[in-house]
Amino acid sequence: AQTVTQSQPEMSVQEAETVTLSCTYDTSENNYYLFWYKQPPSRQMILVIRQEAYKQQNATENRFSVNFQKAAKSFSLKISDSQLGDTAMYFCAFMIDNNDMRFGAGTRLTVKP
Amino acid sequence: EAQVTQNPRYLITVTGKKLTVTCSQNMNHEYMSWYRQDPGLGLRQIYYSMNVEVTDKGDVPEGYKVSRKEKRNFPLILESPSPNQTSLYFCASSLAGNQPQHFGDGTRLSIL
Repeated sequence: AQTVTQSQPEMSVQEAETVTLSCTYDTSENNYYLFWYKQPPSRQMILVIRQEAYKQQNATENRFSVNFQKAAKSFSLKISDSQLGDTAMYFCAFMIDNNDMRFGAGTRLTVKP
Repeated sequence: EAQVTQNPRYLITVTGKKLTVTCSQNMNHEYMSWYRQDPGLGLRQIYYSMNVEVTDKGDVPEGYKVSRKEKRNFPLILESPSPNQTSLYFCASSLAGNQPQHFGDGTRLSIL
C-alpha cells in the first residue's frame, strides 16, 4: 500500500531562518509524482512545489526547495528566509500513475517574529 | 477567474438525510477529485474522475457516491449520512492526474 509519513506534527522557526520539513513515503512503483501543499488558517490548499520521480534534479520555487532522495523514499521541504506568511499546515502528497493521491498527516509550522 | 467552486461551504444536518455537495470548475480540467480532511489524518481521497463518465474509488469511498455527467461538475452524494462522515471536504481539479491540483475552499459538514 502507498503511504506518506510526516514525522513532525508541529514545528516552529524564527522569522528569516531556515526550516526543513520531513516526508517519507512507501511505494513499489517507479513512476510517481510528489507534491508539497500549504494550508494557511484560511484553510485553502495551495501548491508549494512539485517533483517528478524520474527527475534527479531537486525542484526549487523561490524560497522553497526540496531534497528528493529516491532510494531512501524521502522528500523533504526546505523553506529559506522564513516569513510570517509561511505559517500554515504543510502536507506532503504523492501520486502514482493510476491517479490515486495520498497525503501525509501534515506538519503545522509556526513562524515566530 | 480560474476557480473550483464548492457549495455549500457549511452544512449541519441529521443522520440519514440525503445530501449533495456540488463542485464545479471553470478551467476545462479533465481530472477531478474529492477529499476529506480529518485532524491527524491529513487529506484522504474519496473518489476521483479522469474524465466524463469515468470515476474510480480512492482511499475511503464507503458511504459516498459521485457522478461525472459533465466535464465541469463533480457532485459528492451522501445517500444516508452518518456522524462519522462529519469532516471538512475538498474538491479539486487538474489538467491531468499528475498535474498540480486546484482546490475549492472546502465544505464543513456536521452530521448529528
